[in-house]
Amino acid sequence: GDSVTQMEGPVTLSEEAFLTINCTYTATGYPSLFWYVQYPGEGLQLLLKATKADDKGSNKGFEATYRKETTSFHLEKGSVQVSDSAVYFCALLGRYGGATNKLIFGTGTLLAVQP
Amino acid sequence: DAGVIQSPRHEVTEMGQEVTLRCKPISGHNSLFWYRQTMMRGLELLIYFNNNVPIDDSGMPEDRFSAKMPNASFSTLKIQPSEPRDSAVYFCASSSSSVGELFFGEGSRLTVL
Repeated sequence: GDSVTQMEGPVTLSEEAFLTINCTYTATGYPSLFWYVQYPGEGLQLLLKATKADDKGSNKGFEATYRKETTSFHLEKGSVQVSDSAVYFCALLGRYGGATNKLIFGTGTLLAVQP
Repeated sequence: DAGVIQSPRHEVTEMGQEVTLRCKPISGHNSLFWYRQTMMRGLELLIYFNNNVPIDDSGMPEDRFSAKMPNASFSTLKIQPSEPRDSAVYFCASSSSSVGELFFGEGSRLTVL
């Protein structure tokens, strides 16, 4: 079945450091890919998305490129801030025969940014 | 605009008791999802509804769990009887036609003693 694998955390960085969180997927067909973020004590919220190969999703300085050849969707940010400390989830929406909004989430990666 | 509203935010109960979690989705959204989050298992989809109809309940752990959506603005997740292993944060999320974009509530943290 479809699945998402992301790097285990925690990832601890100093402010202004470069961030990469790896995400790879397994899916039949051509899924849409997402990054969600969960701040402490809150629900998840959509950070960015890409719906087809070579698309780049971006938001709040974060970017991820849909790489079909490597089945990856790595999250990057050039300069992290303390306020970026959160759990980041990679997710996949498969394309099935019926209509569905069923997202498959990775296990989440905790990012801790120190001042 | 109000987001997804869940209640209660925190619930502590004893094993064997009935627990009911409630969710009010965003007005106009036609899909509703119940997720469970634990350290061990991460984020698990329990059930989701489309236009108030359950579409996929394959994630519901066992018969002790049930979910209803009597109308477009309300859903419940019930656990009866509850067990300590049900302790988790339960999230409700809703979605409109924007495929893949879910709006999550703040969650209900359940502790079963």
